[in-house]
Amino acid sequence: AQSVTQPDIHITVSEGASLELRCNYSYGATPYLFWYVQSPGQGLQLLLKYFSGDTLVQGIKGFEAEFKRSQSSFNLRKPSVHWSDAAEYFCAVVLTQGGSEKLVFGKGTKLTVNP
Amino acid sequence: NAGVTQTPKFQVLKTGQSMTLQCAQDMNHEYMSWYRQDPGMGLRLIHYSVGAGITDQGEVPNGYNVSRSTTEDFPLRLLSAAPSQTSVYFCASRLSTGIPETQYFGPGTRLLVL
Repeated sequence: AQSVTQPDIHITVSEGASLELRCNYSYGATPYLFWYVQSPGQGLQLLLKYFSGDTLVQGIKGFEAEFKRSQSSFNLRKPSVHWSDAAEYFCAVVLTQGGSEKLVFGKGTKLTVNP
Repeated sequence: NAGVTQTPKFQVLKTGQSMTLQCAQDMNHEYMSWYRQDPGMGLRLIHYSVGAGITDQGEVPNGYNVSRSTTEDFPLRLLSAAPSQTSVYFCASRLSTGIPETQYFGPGTRLLVL
């Protein structure tokens, strides 16, 4: 079945440290991939997306993600984390089924940033 | 543009009560959808619509009804609320289907069913 997996439920990093959040997908064709961030009590904000082309995509707030077809991964990275990055992060993939498209989310990774 | 708006922001219901969660968008988006978010489960698709008059079920449709009489509005109805429907509900919209598009989310409705 087509799906997206975020292996890490909770990650803690120190402010200023680098960050990598993992995302793996199961999809036969070229996937359309997204990363969203959700701050506590807030809705979802799009960080970045991959549709095609350059496999390294830049997003907002200094985030980037790299699409690796051979590893079925779309990991999110940031070289230096800020306290304001503490939030929950969701990877998502567009699923095509029966002629319609749906956005399928991973279960999320909660990021804690220590001072 | 207001984007995607949802009302109410918070709601407390008793088991068996009915209510409608409102969702509207002013971006002329064809595609609209409803998700529920539960701890450790991510977001799960309840229902979606690819245009006015067309709706379909998502991953967790039981207990919910939708209709799409206009492009702008996509209400979600709970006919007989159950405690298992305690959740945060997000409405989302995007321009069209068939080509990759960014999906925009509303601020959410927090629902507690007692």
